[in-house]
Amino acid sequence: NAGVMQNPRHLVRRRGQEARLRCSPMKGHSHVYWYRQLPEEGLKFMVYLQKENIIDESGMPKERFSAEFPKEGPSILRIQQVVRGDSAAYFCASSPRTAGSMNTEAFFGQGTRLTVV
Amino acid sequence: QQPVQSPQAVILREGEDAVINCSSSKALYSVHWYRQKHGEAPVFLMILLKGGEQKGHDKISASFNEKKQQSSLYLTASQLSYSGTYFCGTEMTGNNRKLIWGLGTSLAVNP
Repeated sequence: NAGVMQNPRHLVRRRGQEARLRCSPMKGHSHVYWYRQLPEEGLKFMVYLQKENIIDESGMPKERFSAEFPKEGPSILRIQQVVRGDSAAYFCASSPRTAGSMNTEAFFGQGTRLTVV
Repeated sequence: QQPVQSPQAVILREGEDAVINCSSSKALYSVHWYRQKHGEAPVFLMILLKGGEQKGHDKISASFNEKKQQSSLYLTASQLSYSGTYFCGTEMTGNNRKLIWGLGTSLAVNP
């Protein structure tokens, strides 16, 4: 059973370009979370999605950032017109049900390290 | 709403013990503990759901004091493999079940 797959592992973008980060949850998991982590800092919640629905996007910047989790295919975190401050590691995690309830752990992917030059 | 972890960093010799605390200003539904090694994904350690609950595996255990709105992670007879950054994730009561993470505690175990 493959774990949470994120790709690419490393992504370099020039300022103003678009970045697309993909996350394939574990088989049977319908809940996906995206987090951003800056060097030497903790994980900052960005968005929580279930299949075809955004449940909580309170951690997403109001502009340039969007996320989706279609019925088929991976979850996508999209950053338009990237700026240097977007450089960070972006982790996604998946769970079979809402993480935190019913004693469910979230499984993390290896992350995508975005560098904006 | 972000939980506060203390200490920020710990340096141990192999075999020594450590305690990492995680405190919240809000009532908690659950506390999750993860460990992250440099450049890797966070790895699940344990979840505590009920006030007073204690859990452990190997020589790592944790407790959850619901009244004090805090959890503590206990590392006993530390091993080199325990090195990493430990994060607590808290889920508030009445929340829509998203985890809010602390800033982490960096643990280095030296021979």
